[in-house]
Formats: sequence, C-alpha cells, structure tokens
Amino acid sequence: DIVMTQTPLSSPVTLGQPASISCRSSQSLVHNDGNTYLSWLQQRPGQPPRLLIYKISNRFSGVPDRFSGSGAGSDFTLKISRVEAEDVGIYYCMQATEFPRTFGQGTKVEIK
Amino acid sequence: EVQLVESGGGLVQPGGSLRLSCAASGFTFSSYWMHWVRQVPGQGLLWISRIDSDGSSTTYADSVKGRFTISRDNSKNTLYLQMNSLRAEDTALYYCTRAVSGAFDNWGQGTLVTVSS
Repeated sequence: DIVMTQTPLSSPVTLGQPASISCRSSQSLVHNDGNTYLSWLQQRPGQPPRLLIYKISNRFSGVPDRFSGSGAGSDFTLKISRVEAEDVGIYYCMQATEFPRTFGQGTKVEIK
Repeated sequence: EVQLVESGGGLVQPGGSLRLSCAASGFTFSSYWMHWVRQVPGQGLLWISRIDSDGSSTTYADSVKGRFTISRDNSKNTLYLQMNSLRAEDTALYYCTRAVSGAFDNWGQGTLVTVSS
C-alpha cells in the first residue's frame, strides 16, 4: 500500500497569515496514464470531508483561490495564502493512483 | 445539486450484519464510480471499497475483504454496502462518496455503525 505522510500534524496559524502542509508518498503517484492523482480534502468540525484540490493543483468548484496545491512525483504541498477563521479543520491528502486509496494522517489547522 | 444520503447504520452485535444504503440525486448516478470511506470518530479517513459505474468491477480494502460487499442499483440511484461478520473495529462513521478524476468530489453526511455487545 502507498503510505501518505503529512507534516506537520498540527499547525497553529495567526489569522491572515499563510499556512503550508506537506504530503509525501512512499512511492511516486504518477499513474500509467500520465496523471498524478493526488488530492487535498478539508474536514471542518462535525462535517464530512470536502474536496479542495485534485490532480495536485486543480482547485475544485467553489474553492477560494487562497488555497493552492503544488508538487510532483511523491512530494506535494497545500498552501493557504491567508488563513481565515473558516479554514479551521483537518486537512488530508489522498492518493488515487493505486488501490487501496490511502489518506494522510491529517493536519489540524487552528487559529493561534 | 449533487446529494448523497447514507442510511442503515445502527447498533449491531459482533458477528452481526448490516446493509448500508446511499441514495444519490442531482447527477447521472450510472456514470460514476462510487466509493465507501469510513472514519472512527476523532480519527482519520480509511478507504473501504469502490464500484465502477455499471457495477461490473469492485475493489476492497484488505480489512473488509470477504466480509463486506459493495453493490449498486442504477435504476434506483442507490449504492449499497452489505457488511457481514462485523467486528468491534468496524465501528465508525461510514461515508459514500463520488469519484471524479481520481478525487472524491462529493460526500454524504455519513451513517454511524456501532458494533458492540
């Protein structure tokens, strides 16, 4: 199975300041079709997960442009340019290159 | 608007069975792969199973293989998860989710399964 490792596991951030989450996979996520199926999900307290980013850097419909994804191969990053109060929650990376689909452990973003 | 509504969760004894349902609306259900993902309250996400758009191909996590069966009825726009031989470690919130370009773009609110005597 592909292991997804996120750092940090907790990220206290001041409102209006940037935040960055790293996600590394135990092997390359480049699929045979040439795509890299790495996505980012946000889970607010008491809510189901919500898709933010798919295929490394594509923002999903309705996602604010302060969220951005980057990376390649086995090293990926989610950045929030200016954290807002509504961004509090747990962020997960997920790979869909192979079965079983696997998630990172989650990174808790909270306001200082 | 895409909607996914899970049902069928509840309290069951170890060794028992449950069937979860996920009613889909707002999109052409028969065109999408669907998945089940579970989450122990306070913990992370665990992928359980997937089914392709016409139900001809399925895949399972090792932890549920041989005990759980995913299926769908495209005429009823409904996804199912038949869970047999349930264990305490299967206790979790179960989500159905739609897959697009490898990502899970819409999620239900989840249905809670508790396995306990």
